[in-house]
Amino acid sequence: GAVVSQHPSRVICKSGTSVKIECRSLDFQATTMFWYRQFPKKSLMLMATSNEGSKATYEQGVEKDKFLINHASLTLSTLTVTSAHPEDSSFYICSARNRDEQYFGPGTRLTVT
Amino acid sequence: SQKIEQNSEALNIQEGKTATLTCNYTNYSPAYLQWYRQDPGRGPVFLLLIRENEKEKRKERLKVTFDTTLKQSLFHITASQPADSATYLCAPSGGGYQKVTFGTGTKLQVIP
Repeated sequence: GAVVSQHPSRVICKSGTSVKIECRSLDFQATTMFWYRQFPKKSLMLMATSNEGSKATYEQGVEKDKFLINHASLTLSTLTVTSAHPEDSSFYICSARNRDEQYFGPGTRLTVT
Repeated sequence: SQKIEQNSEALNIQEGKTATLTCNYTNYSPAYLQWYRQDPGRGPVFLLLIRENEKEKRKERLKVTFDTTLKQSLFHITASQPADSATYLCAPSGGGYQKVTFGTGTKLQVIP
């Protein structure tokens, strides 16, 4: 199957700083990538759809100025959590679509202190 | 609004038995449906995709059915093993560039 990588796997940052998470499709090109957030024992919550070369589409209730998404190439999308607060602490997962199948990265555990 | 329901939050079965997980959806007609496995602290792992014109799909010990009339998909694991213990997610999709929405998941525990 297709492989999606995510970096870093774990990050701790101080309140008020920004954190960038990278998502890469390793063996296929992805015009569309997705960013999810997952709280403990809850399902995946779609944050935004990232399209290569255009602006991301954010889900209702997700602040686009806080969660900046850039999809500059067919294999890389980045999510930047700006001015992070403790309530932003969560598990962030990206995915990339390869034809109809959607493949996920291993996730990034963000802890804001 | 679109709704996806998976039969139960948790399912316990004896090793060697067949596990059957249910996914019901309402208020839309997906072109296909995907099943994923998720282990704690990890991203979901793609298992199978079944299209609306397919009734059944198999992969090793896994079998998925898709009934568009009942708006339901069943996910079977035959000869279950303790290593199959995980949370299983279903994700119907309209296809194309439409977003994929996930069910709440069923946590399967296979007891040795």
